[in-house]
Formats: sequence, C-alpha cells, structure tokens
Amino acid sequence: AQSVTQLDSQVPVFEEAPVELRCNYSSSVSVYLFWYVQYPNQGLQLLLKYLSGSTLVKGINGFEAEFNKSQTSFHLRKPSVHISDTAEYFCAVTPSNNRKLIWGLGTSLAVNP
Amino acid sequence: NAGVTQTPKFQVLKTGQSMTLQCAQDMNHNSMYWYRQDPGMGLRLIYYSASEGTTDKGEVPNGYNVSRLNKREFSLRLESAAPSQTSVYFCASSEVDRINTEAFFGQGTRLTVV
Repeated sequence: AQSVTQLDSQVPVFEEAPVELRCNYSSSVSVYLFWYVQYPNQGLQLLLKYLSGSTLVKGINGFEAEFNKSQTSFHLRKPSVHISDTAEYFCAVTPSNNRKLIWGLGTSLAVNP
Repeated sequence: NAGVTQTPKFQVLKTGQSMTLQCAQDMNHNSMYWYRQDPGMGLRLIYYSASEGTTDKGEVPNGYNVSRLNKREFSLRLESAAPSQTSVYFCASSEVDRINTEAFFGQGTRLTVV
C-alpha cells in the first residue's frame, strides 16, 4: 500500500530565513506528487506538482520542490519566507495505477518576525 | 468562476440531529470528494464519487451518507450527528481523466456537535 510521511508536524522559522518541509512516500508503482497549502480558515490550494520531466518544480509564492526517486522524497523549499507563508502544508501523491490522492498529515509552518 | 462552493460555512448541531452539507462545482469535473479534517489527523476521505451516478466509501464512511445528485453537486448527510463528527468538512473535485489529478477544494464547513 502507498503512504506519505511528512517528517515534521511543526516547523517554526524566522522571517526571511530559508525553510525546507520534508515529504517521503512509499509506493511500488510510479507516482505523481503534489504540495498543497492551507491558509488559516481556508480550503486547500495547489502549491506545485510533479508529473514528469524536470525533477525540480517551481510553484506559486516562490516555493519549489525536488523529486528524488531514489530517496522517494519530494521536499518543499523556499529560500526566504514571509509572515504570510504561515500555513499548513500538505504533501500528496497519486499512484499511477489508481489515481487516488494519498495525503500526508501536514506540516504547520509558523513564520515569526 | 466560483470553483467549489460549500454550504453552510458553519453549523452547530445537537447530538442526534440530522443535516446535509451541500457542495457544487462549476468546473465540469467528473470526480468529487468529501473529506474531514481533524487536528493531527490530516485529511481523511469520507466518500468519493468517481463520476455521476457512482459513489464509494473512503477511509471513514461510518455515520455518513452521500448523494451525487448530478455532475455538479455532491451532498454529504449526517443522519444522527454525534460529538465525534465535530470536524471541518471539505468538499473537493478533480478531473481524473488525465494524469493531472489536481484537486480543487471548497472553503470548508465547520461543524460542531454538542
């Protein structure tokens, strides 16, 4: 069975510092990978996705993620965070053989001044 | 373009009461989903509908029923609410005919059962 592990439940960081939110997955088939962001009291929205091609993908708001097949990881990074990046971040995968979204438990990013 | 619209945004129920959460999407998506979100537990799939006329159970279907009324609308019903159903509920839709299974979410319904 497939699974997604977000290695940090909470990440506190100071404004303008770099951040990395870690995501690992387990799957016996190829997968498509997603990061979603949930701002306080809102629904989730897509931040970025990896379907194929270049393993470095860029998303909205200056975020990027790198797909590492050998390490089965899809870590999210931003070189300099803003207060407005404070949110919950979810990693998700879709196995190529069943199209279902499998979710991580989320990482709460708190950006402090 | 409204995307995914959920109603109501907030609701307080007494134990044993029933209610229906409404969801509609205007993106012509085939697939629709109901999730619940609880602290520390991420998103858990309650029910999904791969296409109009079909529904399937997700991880946590007990205590819920769904109706895929047409391609646009997918409702979630709590027949006899319990405090354990206090949660934030999200409806989502996606187009799974293609590789890209990006899901679009509504704003959520905050339900409290007392």
